[in-house]
Amino acid sequence: DIQMTQSPSSLSASVGDRVTITCRASQSIANFLNWYQHKLGEAPKLLIYTASNLQSGVPSRFSGSGSGTDFTLTISSLQPEDFATYYCQQSYSTPPTTFGQGTRLEI
Amino acid sequence: QVQLQESGPGLVKPSETLSLTCTVSGASIISYYWSWIRQPPKKGLEWIGYMHNSGNTDYNPSLRSRVTMSVDTSKSRFSLKLNSVSAADTAVYYCARGSMTQPRTFDLWGQGTLVTVSS
Repeated sequence: DIQMTQSPSSLSASVGDRVTITCRASQSIANFLNWYQHKLGEAPKLLIYTASNLQSGVPSRFSGSGSGTDFTLTISSLQPEDFATYYCQQSYSTPPTTFGQGTRLEI
Repeated sequence: QVQLQESGPGLVKPSETLSLTCTVSGASIISYYWSWIRQPPKKGLEWIGYMHNSGNTDYNPSLRSRVTMSVDTSKSRFSLKLNSVSAADTAVYYCARGSMTQPRTFDLWGQGTLVTVSS
């Protein structure tokens, strides 16, 4: 299985900050990388698909980049509703598709 | 508004079969891939498998021997059965939707249901 490693595992930030979360794959996955936001008790939400494509309805302050093994999710200006856990996921080599361990973004 | 809702017993005894259903409302269940994903306490997300109404399925090799998925298009719902469960199967179970072109990109999820395996 392809291992996905996110860093940091947790992050403290303030409203208005620019935040970057990194995801590294154990082997090349081209651009088959998705990002999700998960708030406790809610359904996870797709933010970015195939590394850099913004899902419909997702605010433009979210962006993704990268290819091969290294990827980033950037939030340009943190809003109060952005405090959540973020997961990356590779859909290149399956089965199985695999997720990162998550990055908890806290105030 | 499309919604997914998981349902099923919250407590299952060891060695028995875990059975969950995901009901889809607001959209057709046809022409999409439907996955189950779980998250054990304090651990990451684990994809269990998916199926399509055509009968096409794909399961996580680590769970393949214990998993069965099915879809009921007449009732807009799909199901998961996981047999011979143990405490390691305790988790929040999510259902999720993937498209025909990207079956493993999950654009819609349910809120999840906690299943505890305990005697």
